[in-house]
Amino acid sequence: IAGITQAPTSQILAAGRRMTLRCTQDMRHNAMYWYRQDLGLGLRLIHYSNTAGTTGKGEVPDGYSVSRANTDDFPLTLASAVPSQTSVYFCASRDGGGAGSPLHFGNGTRLTVT
Amino acid sequence: GQNIDQPTEMTATEGAIVQINCTYQTSGFNGLFWYQQHAGEAPTFLSYNVLDGLEEKGRFSSFLSRSKGYSYLLLKELQMKDSASYLCAVMDSNYQLIWGAGTKLIIKP
Repeated sequence: IAGITQAPTSQILAAGRRMTLRCTQDMRHNAMYWYRQDLGLGLRLIHYSNTAGTTGKGEVPDGYSVSRANTDDFPLTLASAVPSQTSVYFCASRDGGGAGSPLHFGNGTRLTVT
Repeated sequence: GQNIDQPTEMTATEGAIVQINCTYQTSGFNGLFWYQQHAGEAPTFLSYNVLDGLEEKGRFSSFLSRSKGYSYLLLKELQMKDSASYLCAVMDSNYQLIWGAGTKLIIKP
């Protein structure tokens, strides 16, 4: 089934460790996004990519990096994890066909940093 | 600053009607989205409003008043499966989405 695949589904990570969250889509969408979702807060944008080869910073980019080598993949890396990065991470994409084009979300990665 | 407000939690009865409100203050406006998110799952798209008025999609309707910075999601004939969080999001002048914290809807039999 077409959509967005995220891996891993969940992870417990020791503080200071490096971690890459994977995201792959097969819908050929140009734009991709990484959000974090924390209890009581709205989804917060970490990084985004409007097209392959370009990336941009969102609302909460510190401690995270992304790359967009091709259309399908948009990995998110935590260089040195800290407990405040404990969250649920959602990757999303949209085809960019106008402002009303909705986001399609992956199933999320639940990350706990100890 | 930019702000989206929606109630934290609402409770309704199966078969009834519920209205979930969303008010916003953003830098520009390029449309308002409603998403549904079941516990432990990803958000899924429900509706998009960019012009004033009511958009109806089956049991769900969404209303927008741009002059008031206000929207609501109306759910009719509530079913137990409608128990979920409902997220309001506004696209600002930079085409970035600003998200509310979500409204958790609890349906009781």
